[in-house]
This record gives sequence, structure tokens and C-alpha cells, in this order.
Amino acid sequence: DTGVSQNPRHKITKRGQNVTFRCDPISEHNRLYWYRQTLGQGPEFLTYFQNEAQLEKSRLLSDRFSAERPKGSFSTLEIQRTEQGDSAMYLCASTEGNTEAFFGQGTRLTVV
Amino acid sequence: AQSVTQLDSQVPVFEEAPVELRCNYSSSVSVYLFWYVQYPNQGLQLLLKYLSGSTLVKGINGFEAEFNKSQTSFHLRKPSVHISDTAEYFCAVTFLQGAQKLVFGQGTRLTINP
Repeated sequence: DTGVSQNPRHKITKRGQNVTFRCDPISEHNRLYWYRQTLGQGPEFLTYFQNEAQLEKSRLLSDRFSAERPKGSFSTLEIQRTEQGDSAMYLCASTEGNTEAFFGQGTRLTVV
Repeated sequence: AQSVTQLDSQVPVFEEAPVELRCNYSSSVSVYLFWYVQYPNQGLQLLLKYLSGSTLVKGINGFEAEFNKSQTSFHLRKPSVHISDTAEYFCAVTFLQGAQKLVFGQGTRLTINP
């Protein structure tokens, strides 16, 4: 296993467009988390899946954001009608329990 | 309220000098504690973690941290830094309730000068 994989690594989009990011967790990990990191800040929690069930969403996750984890494997994070304030690094992490989260390389989104 | 505070946003040190990066947290429940390092345009790499047991934990790259429950602190130390340690360091806490997500501090930018 090569760890947590995120695609794409970079995405530049025009304001108002929709974007989708993908995260492939470590295969045996049942928990998957999405975080958002803006410049000069620590990552902030967005949402959490245990297997295929989305169990918690942050209030940061507006109704333009949606995340899925079909079949409890990979996950997608979609942002509709992107705004310049959505520009950030989107990080995915997976864990089997809660003792160590493994992070992907992130997807850097730039909204122009 | 549950929160994590890194007291220094930037720490410049000379190569081979010791360094301490400070982290305090606030919690009403039990916690797990972590330090992560982030290099430019990269994800986060775990340096070390405290789950239970000995309060002094050793991690990768010569780093160590000490959990102090009474002071609710988890400071990161290295006795002698190298140029390659230049990076952003994040303290993170898992509060053992609910989603048990990581809550991160604001980060400390460690700059090593020759």
C-alpha cells in the first residue's frame, strides 16, 4: 500500500465552476476525514466517514460542499459554484482507530 | 471549550542549537496528542504521538515531546537542529468524544539559519 492518495494535486478553476476531488485511503482503514487548510493556518475539520456513513460535518461545510464515500472505500469531495474563498489546500486522512491519522499530499485549489 | 494553542507563530534558530516549540490545549475530556510536520506544498507527516503511558515520547528525526497533564501542555523539543528541519510544525489533539477528529494549532514556522 502506498498510503493515502489524493487527486488531483493542483486544481485551478474559475469562480462559479464545480470541482471534485478524490481521496483513496489506506485500504484497511475504516475512518476517513477531510480537512481544509488555508494559508498560514492549521488544517480545519470538514467531515468524517466511518465506512460509508458520513457521521459528522463541520459548520464550515456549507451547502455547496458535499462528500461521499460509496462502499466505504474512496471518497469524493465536491464543491459547487466555487468562490474565491474556497481557495485552500484540501487534505484527506485515514485511520483505522483514532491513534494515528495518515494524511495524503493534499489537493491545492485555486479559484480565479 | 476544546482548543489547541501554539504559542509561537515563528521560531528562528541557528543550526545545531536546541529548539522548543510550545503547545497548550484546553479540554474537559481525555485526549491523544500529536505533532505533525509539513514541508511546502506537502501533506502532514507524523513526528510523534502521546496516547498513554510514559509522558516523554520520542519521535522521528530526533524530536521528542513531553506531556504535562497539569499544565495541559505538549511541547516539542530537539537538542540540535539541522537545516533540513526548516518546516511548519503543527500540534494536534484528538478529543476522545464524538468523531475524534484532529484539532490543530495554528502552526509554528521553524526556520534554521546557518
